[in-house]
Amino acid sequence: NAGVTQTPKFQVLKTGQSMTLQCAQDMNHEYMSWYRQDPGMGLRLIHYSVGAGITDQGEVPNGYNVSRSTTEDFPLRLLSAAPSQTSVYFCASSSTGLAEAFFGQGTRLTVV
Amino acid sequence: KNEVEQSPQNLTAQEGEFITINCSYSVGISALHWLQQHPGGGIVSLFMLSSGKKKHGRLIATINIQEKHSSLHITASHPRDSAVYICAVAEYGNKLVFGAGTILRVKS
Repeated sequence: NAGVTQTPKFQVLKTGQSMTLQCAQDMNHEYMSWYRQDPGMGLRLIHYSVGAGITDQGEVPNGYNVSRSTTEDFPLRLLSAAPSQTSVYFCASSSTGLAEAFFGQGTRLTVV
Repeated sequence: KNEVEQSPQNLTAQEGEFITINCSYSVGISALHWLQQHPGGGIVSLFMLSSGKKKHGRLIATINIQEKHSSLHITASHPRDSAVYICAVAEYGNKLVFGAGTILRVKS
């Protein structure tokens, strides 16, 4: 079982470039989320979705865009990369709002 | 003040020791999650609790809703338990707020 798949695993961007981090799950989960992990700060919620066509902002949404056109996919777009967006990004999914969360392997992004 | 506080931040134990990691939170929650992050970076769910106690192998998690406190216990610790243990609370749906994590090292 694939679970939650994130691509790419590593990425280096130049300031101002845009890119999309991909997240796909094959468990038919309604809830999907994007988090970023920075040293000493714990993970923080960027964007959130409770189903196809429904998204919501989290704690740190600025500079990021999401859409949820299918149940399976929840891509995260960086509109104009900044060094402050250097981080490790995790996608997670769960079947309901009160269920175990499954995490992708993470994407390590460096913006230079 | 962070909504989720974990203690200790770092913990070194000898193989076989009983380990306790604590998590306190300040908001109303629907559930609390304990997660494990290995040195390779992947995050795995250990427990999700909304009340009482859960046990899986050598791991035990408890939660006291009234006191807004949860503990993760590891019995008969082993070097393979070395990892970062993260407490996260779900305030609404599955929008998680995370603690900073506890770095556990178990020496043989």
